[in-house]
Amino acid sequence: QQQVKQSPQSLIVQKGGIPIINCAYENTAFDYFPWYQQFPGKGPALLIAIRPDVSEKKEGRFTISFNKSAKQFSLHIMDSQPGDSATYFCAASKSGYNKLIFGAGTRLAVHP
Amino acid sequence: EAGVTQFPSHSVIEKGQTVTLRCDPISGHDNLYWYRRVMGKEIKFLLHFVKESKQDESGMPNNRFLAERTGGTYSTLKVQPAELEDSGVYFCASSQDSYSRNIQYFGAGTRLSVL
Repeated sequence: QQQVKQSPQSLIVQKGGIPIINCAYENTAFDYFPWYQQFPGKGPALLIAIRPDVSEKKEGRFTISFNKSAKQFSLHIMDSQPGDSATYFCAASKSGYNKLIFGAGTRLAVHP
Repeated sequence: EAGVTQFPSHSVIEKGQTVTLRCDPISGHDNLYWYRRVMGKEIKFLLHFVKESKQDESGMPNNRFLAERTGGTYSTLKVQPAELEDSGVYFCASSQDSYSRNIQYFGAGTRLSVL
């Protein structure tokens, strides 16, 4: 069963737009929620991560919003640029454990 | 500093053949993980080494897959015999120590095609 559900599968925005990618999880034991960015031919790279004791975290143009009661978290990309075009994966893991449980990924295209 | 490196980048084999994938983690990283992404689906965990010991191999699909980590350095993942459903991208990741064990650095992956 898929423990982390990610949507949408693909997303197209214009430069300057704010793409939003959503993830939902089932296991309340998860306490670490990273987002990974992957460019073609490269491996996933950690973009930003959050723990459930905060509802929002910002790093540059990237923001994670976290809703613990709804078991949902989302990635917002402010002022998106063509260079942000990539596949984005949300993930979750339990404290003390190491395996990351990934969503299926969102392919983002930012058009100039 | 070199990142996680994986060899080969792409492998095409016939069903029934054997393939060995290799991963060199970031120097000094005790934790090494293997993941797999089947086309269009989520990246799935396969197993986790701490140094040379298998910490968690709950994601290994069956006994056709054998992972080793010699001397706690590089790791190999052997598939024998390969089946069509083994096709996908195999990622290796490493992390530094128990305090930061959730920060995993990924290699570029090995794309395995079983024909």
